[in-house]
Amino acid sequence: TQLLEQSPQFLSIQEGENLTVYCNSSSVFSSLQWYRQEPGEGPVLLVTVVTGGEVKKLKRLTFQFGDARKDSSLHITAAQPGDTGLYLCAVAGYGGSQGNLIFGKGTKLSVKP
Amino acid sequence: ETGVTQSPTHLIKTRGQQVTLRCSSQSGHNTVSWYQQALGQGPQFIFQYYREEENGRGNFPPRFSGLQFPNYSSELNVNALELDDSALYLCASSWGLVLGNEQFFGPGTRLTVL
Repeated sequence: TQLLEQSPQFLSIQEGENLTVYCNSSSVFSSLQWYRQEPGEGPVLLVTVVTGGEVKKLKRLTFQFGDARKDSSLHITAAQPGDTGLYLCAVAGYGGSQGNLIFGKGTKLSVKP
Repeated sequence: ETGVTQSPTHLIKTRGQQVTLRCSSQSGHNTVSWYQQALGQGPQFIFQYYREEENGRGNFPPRFSGLQFPNYSSELNVNALELDDSALYLCASSWGLVLGNEQFFGPGTRLTVL
């Protein structure tokens, strides 16, 4: 069973459209991270959310942590081809191990010009 | 400031062989974590090294082993390669063991096992 369920798995949209991707779990987390991974590269941290209900904005990207700290969403406004990539959510230190990040399977986003 | 680097970029091996992957951590970082990312999956934690000692291990068999050197660079060794070991191997460095510390990832080594 996957700890973090991400949806949709794939998303292909036109430049200028808005989109939302989701990261869901039945577990409660102290914090949650979002990463973007481009082809041939490692994941790059976009944001960490720590408080239930928290909303963080990074230019056209809006991240929300659920009130119960079990889920999160990423909304992109007016998507651009440069937003193309694999969006991963992750939690740190789950199960008592400080070292590891546990990732979802990701949402593969393709933005066509 | 130099980021995380990994070598080689790509590698092709046959079943049963052994492989060593290398990672140089970002300047100032003393912690290195290794992840395996199979096609269509998110990265899976293999193990972490902090100041040359293993500090946590994921659900991987003992044929996956590692080392960290005094300069905090690291190696991942895989013995008796299996077809399912084909994946992107990512190394990430960070400072210390503070929960939630940002991990900086290298570009990965793409391993293909035939």
